[in-house]
Amino acid sequence: NAGVMQNPRHLVRRRGQEARLRCSPMKGHSHVYWYRQLPEEGLKFMVYLQKENIIDESGMPKERFSAEFPKEGPSILRIQQVVRGDSAAYFCASSPRDTSLAGGELFFGEGSRLTVL
Amino acid sequence: SQKIEQNSEALNIQEGKTATLTCNYTNYSPAYLQWYRQDPGRGPVFLLLIRENEKEKRKERLKVTFDTTLKQSLFHITASQPADSATYLCAPGSSNTGKLIFGQGTTLQVKP
Repeated sequence: NAGVMQNPRHLVRRRGQEARLRCSPMKGHSHVYWYRQLPEEGLKFMVYLQKENIIDESGMPKERFSAEFPKEGPSILRIQQVVRGDSAAYFCASSPRDTSLAGGELFFGEGSRLTVL
Repeated sequence: SQKIEQNSEALNIQEGKTATLTCNYTNYSPAYLQWYRQDPGRGPVFLLLIRENEKEKRKERLKVTFDTTLKQSLFHITASQPADSATYLCAPGSSNTGKLIFGQGTTLQVKP
């Protein structure tokens, strides 16, 4: 059973370009979470999605960032018009159910490292 | 606002000793608390979960305590080994929300 798959693992973009990060959850998992980690900092929650629904996007910047988890295919985190401050590691995690139910653990991918030149 | 505090200074200990990491939280009452390990350049990996009605949980050389009065969890690694060197993250979880919020982590360095 493959783990959470993220790609690309490394992405370099120039300021103003778009970045698309993909996350395929573990088989059977319908809940996806995106986190951002800046160097020497902790994981910051961005967004929580279920298939075709955004459940909680309280951690998403209001502009330029969007996320989706379609019925078919991976979850996508999209950053438009990237700026240098977007440079970070973006981690995706999945769970078979809402973590609020019985405290389900999260399974993380290895992250996508975005560098904005 | 909700706040999670872990010791930001790295913890350096000698191999064989017990490492104790602290996680304090304020302004909420988690129903459970999870601990994760993160190695450089890798994603976090789940270690242990403890619920609010549990005082202590053990798994091999790991022990976690959860004091809801002090609003604190302690994470112990006994007989520590250099392979235990990593960053350890705590994540108190609420039954009111589906998301999991993490502390900034404490880096443990075990010297041989």
